[in-house]
Amino acid sequence: DSGVTQTPKHLITATGQRVTLRCSPRSGDLSVYWYQQSLDQGLQFLIQYYNGEERAKGNILERFSAQQFPDLHSELNLSSLELGDSALYFCASSVAPGGVDTQYFGPGTRLTVL
Amino acid sequence: AQSVTQLGSHVSVSEGALVLLRCNYSSSVPPYLFWYVQYPNQGLQLLLKYTSAATLVKGINGFEAEFKKSETSFHLTKPSAHMSDAAEYFCAVSDRAAGNKLTFGGGTRVLVKP
Repeated sequence: DSGVTQTPKHLITATGQRVTLRCSPRSGDLSVYWYQQSLDQGLQFLIQYYNGEERAKGNILERFSAQQFPDLHSELNLSSLELGDSALYFCASSVAPGGVDTQYFGPGTRLTVL
Repeated sequence: AQSVTQLGSHVSVSEGALVLLRCNYSSSVPPYLFWYVQYPNQGLQLLLKYTSAATLVKGINGFEAEFKKSETSFHLTKPSAHMSDAAEYFCAVSDRAAGNKLTFGGGTRVLVKP
């Protein structure tokens, strides 16, 4: 158990819908990262927050957005869902955004868009 | 931009045999490198990391990796495979210029034969 929690574990929805994925980082970690894992794209970085502020952005679609709240939990919002958004979404956390800090991964949310 | 290449998407080894997983990276700055393991239906777990100290890094579960700057490689080895090593393994490089986001290789799935 990494100490990072993600809810829900599974999500099945239809095209065009909007969903919210939730992540609680490890106690004491200020930085949260979101990654997408799909069969065709592999593991890709989406976005990073540090202490409530956006720190880095990857290949995140405009239909996707995220935020980190004062209690440090983070939410990833996916809207106008398409079939290709079906994937495993991971949240990771680290103490700080420094390079040596280990990112600890949550168990993931498996999103299926029908 | 940084990149990671893992040679071989699937590797099959016999129980007790050497496990060798290859990883080559591209980075414009001295890299921080990581190996993660993903068991079925689970998140990623850190095996080991290189952060510019010793070039031979020992990790959990008997794994180790050697950083070779001249070859831009960070191959993962384990002297004797165990059935419990069956999983997918990911090599990653940290982008220190972009909030420490991880860029992952395509992964290598390890099958252990009895």
